[in-house]
This record gives sequence, C-alpha cells and structure tokens, in this order.
Amino acid sequence: EAGVAQSPRYKIIEKRQSVAFWCNPISGHATLYWYQQILGQGPKLLIQFQNNGVVDDSQLPKDRFSAERLKGVDSTLKIQPAKLEDSAVYLCASSLEGQRGYSSYNSPLHFGNGTRLTVT
Amino acid sequence: QQPVQSPQAVILREGEDAVINCSSSKALYSVHWYRQKHGEAPVFLMILLKGGEQKGHEKISASFNEKKQQSSLYLTASQLSYSGTYFCGPVGGTSYGKLTFGQGTILTVHP
Repeated sequence: EAGVAQSPRYKIIEKRQSVAFWCNPISGHATLYWYQQILGQGPKLLIQFQNNGVVDDSQLPKDRFSAERLKGVDSTLKIQPAKLEDSAVYLCASSLEGQRGYSSYNSPLHFGNGTRLTVT
Repeated sequence: QQPVQSPQAVILREGEDAVINCSSSKALYSVHWYRQKHGEAPVFLMILLKGGEQKGHEKISASFNEKKQQSSLYLTASQLSYSGTYFCGPVGGTSYGKLTFGQGTILTVHP
C-alpha cells in the first residue's frame, strides 16, 4: 500500500513569515495526526482529526497554527507567523483509529517522512 | 504527562543484547513501540495490549506490566540495522485513551 505522503520535504523561512505543509494519509485511514518533533525529543501531538472532525487540538498553538482536513482525506498545517522556536520536523501520521474495531490502543501509526522546517 | 524512558542512550556491539524501559505515571491500556532512524520517520514495531496480547512484525520482543505501568523492549543478538532512536507510546486510561510518546532511547550498534 502507498504510505503517508508529505510535502515539502524541507522548508527554510524567516521569522514572521508563513508556511504550509501538506499531508495525504494512507487510503482508508480515518484518523490523521500532525506531530511536531524538536531535535532530540519525541514527537508531540499538535492536532488529531478523525474523518473531518478535530478530536484533539489541545497542544496546538492556535494563535499561530491552524490545520484543516478537507473531505476527510488530505490535510494542511499552516504556521502564521512563524517563530524561531517553530524550527522542527513536522510529521504527519495516519491510522485506522475510528474504524470499526479500532481505537488508539490497537491502531499502529503510519508516519510520513516529515517536513524539516528551519526558521531563521 | 510524558512517559519516562531509560536508558537515554545505549551503545552495543553486534550480537549483544539490550533492554529499553518505559514507565508511565498513569494506568495504561496498551503500549506502542516505534523506531526512528536518523533523518527518517518513526516506524511501528509493536503494540502490547492489556491482557498480554502482542501485535508486531519484527524479531524484537517486549513485555507489558500493567500493575507497574511499565513496558520493556528486548533486543537480542542486536544487528547493525537495530541502530536508531526507540520511542514508547503508552495509551492511558481506557481503550480510547491518548497516546503520548516518550523522549526516546538512542541505540547505537557497532560492528
């Protein structure tokens, strides 16, 4: 099966600029996640979608970050304006969570290759 | 709250064994394990479920102690390909709990 697709692979911007990341999950996966991974740390969940709806966005800095998942498939994560501390790898993942018989406890996450963002 | 992994880093020679531990402060329903190679995305290794069932696809074993809220990953007869950062992701509370990743354990295997 095709994996999770993300673009761009790398992005360098100046602080206060805006940036957008795109993700296409594995076909049939109901749940899509955006994670932020700062160098040397574990992935931190920013937002979780199940189909079209937001399940968890408690750690999303809503004053500058926004995300949407159109038609329950592709998703876009935007940062506006970017700060130096936003430099990180942004990972998109998808899983079967939300499908009949699947929840967070038994659904492996499938990650995309990520977007490495550098804010200067 | 983020789970705690130990050790933070381990260096092995090919063929040696290693154990990576993951502890949580909350009751657990399952534990996920992932491996991330440098510059790559995390890759799923296995899930340990409450009640003892294990789901995975690699020749790496793990245990899950629900009472102690701990899980351990066992890498035996390590290979060069085992090098990477290992993350645990406990799922807390109920079967619909949230998965939170640990800070990672860096494993380096030398020839």
